[in-house]
Amino acid sequence: EVQLVESGGGLVQTGRSLRLSCAASGFTFDDYAMHWVRQAPGKGLEWVSGISWNRGSIGYADSVKGRFTISRDNAKNSLYLQMNSLRAEDTALYYCAKDEQRLVLGVFDIWGQGTMVTVSS
Amino acid sequence: EIVLTQSPGTLSLSPGERATLSCRASQSVSSGYLAWYQQKPGQAPRLLIYGASSRATGIPDRFSGSGSGTDFTLTISRLEPEDFAVYYCQQYGSSLTFGGGTKVEIK
Repeated sequence: EVQLVESGGGLVQTGRSLRLSCAASGFTFDDYAMHWVRQAPGKGLEWVSGISWNRGSIGYADSVKGRFTISRDNAKNSLYLQMNSLRAEDTALYYCAKDEQRLVLGVFDIWGQGTMVTVSS
Repeated sequence: EIVLTQSPGTLSLSPGERATLSCRASQSVSSGYLAWYQQKPGQAPRLLIYGASSRATGIPDRFSGSGSGTDFTLTISRLEPEDFAVYYCQQYGSSLTFGGGTKVEIK
């Protein structure tokens, strides 16, 4: 069964850091680009970051550029998101999503169930 | 950044009726790089359509996508009870952006 399981969310103070993880199973992880997409409570979807299969291409939304870092470990079938200098507006459910292709195309065909990040002072 | 505007915000229909959802882009979406997702309460989004008109694996043929340039449409030919949800369009031709969503609710 194809599956993505996120972890690492929680309550964190403004300005602090948090690292999210996504464990993939049921498909050849290093054949696909991967992404993080977030959804603030009661709001729509926002793409956060994406990374190609070989880490050669990485992209970020302007709202997180310079604060968040995406990475992946193909040997561990895992995707990560290091979030620094967190702000209240980063409060959201963070989804891990699989791309349809190796490069960062942006068609998300598999999604995890998400991990909630709450940033509060 | 390409801004996607979805309309209407809410669509109230009965099962069996036809649903037509609109997604308008602030600039032309290159190569028809537009996708549609369905999201039900408490669930992750599900890919329905990519490349403006290609159905994703396992998606029933009552869902169809059309359009090009700046105007795109998702059509559900006959609404089933499980189709009442929020629908998002997303472009991936220039960075990645989502529309604000259209809620399809039971009338």
